[in-house]
Amino acid sequence: SSELTQPPSVSVSPGQTATITCSADVLAKQYSYWYQQKAGQAPILVMFKDNERPSGIPDRISGSSSGTTATLTIRGVQAEDEADYYCQSSGNGIVVFGGGTKLTVL
Amino acid sequence: QLQLHESGPGLVKPSETLSLTCTVSGDSISRSKYYWGWIRQPPGKGLEWIGTIFYSGGTYYSQSLKSRVTLSVEQAKNEISLKLNSVTAADTAVYFCARLGDPNGNYFDSWGQGTLVAVSS
Repeated sequence: SSELTQPPSVSVSPGQTATITCSADVLAKQYSYWYQQKAGQAPILVMFKDNERPSGIPDRISGSSSGTTATLTIRGVQAEDEADYYCQSSGNGIVVFGGGTKLTVL
Repeated sequence: QLQLHESGPGLVKPSETLSLTCTVSGDSISRSKYYWGWIRQPPGKGLEWIGTIFYSGGTYYSQSLKSRVTLSVEQAKNEISLKLNSVTAADTAVYFCARLGDPNGNYFDSWGQGTLVAVSS
């Protein structure tokens, strides 16, 4: 696996749509996974295999992947969505995380 | 309900060995046949994968930490252990254990709360 590149920060107003990208050559052949981490808490899985939501994750959070870029989209952003978001991929047992994106709700 | 709890010393001296245990409750490591992993997060920084271990003991390690890390499984105690030797201040971090949620060990679906380990004399 190689490095996964994320923007350090994304800012949106409540009710708007937040888009967080994750780029790496390996994403063309490996799945992406996404985690949400709120301050002082452990991460939680919000998306797996590019676009599958774990139970309990609202459907306004969605994922996609095209070529070498995976995208996490949060529609109708709420104050509770303010958090750090990390993408992750894996191959042949090796796991790699992106650097994380801080989502700020203005 | 699956729960993971990390435990161990909160302070380790430079050059010594960091040892942590992850106690799993709500599931049996040996019966469930999952992969289990350790991840760390230095203060104010991002997540770093340390390594992954299969319930039967097979391991994968981060290339950057491979020379200093050992993961092990204690099935009878339902525990996963991490040892990181020759620590420096750069190893100061919150250490998380987590379960990998698919048969191939690709992603983490359950996490412990994490434990902060500081490396300082």
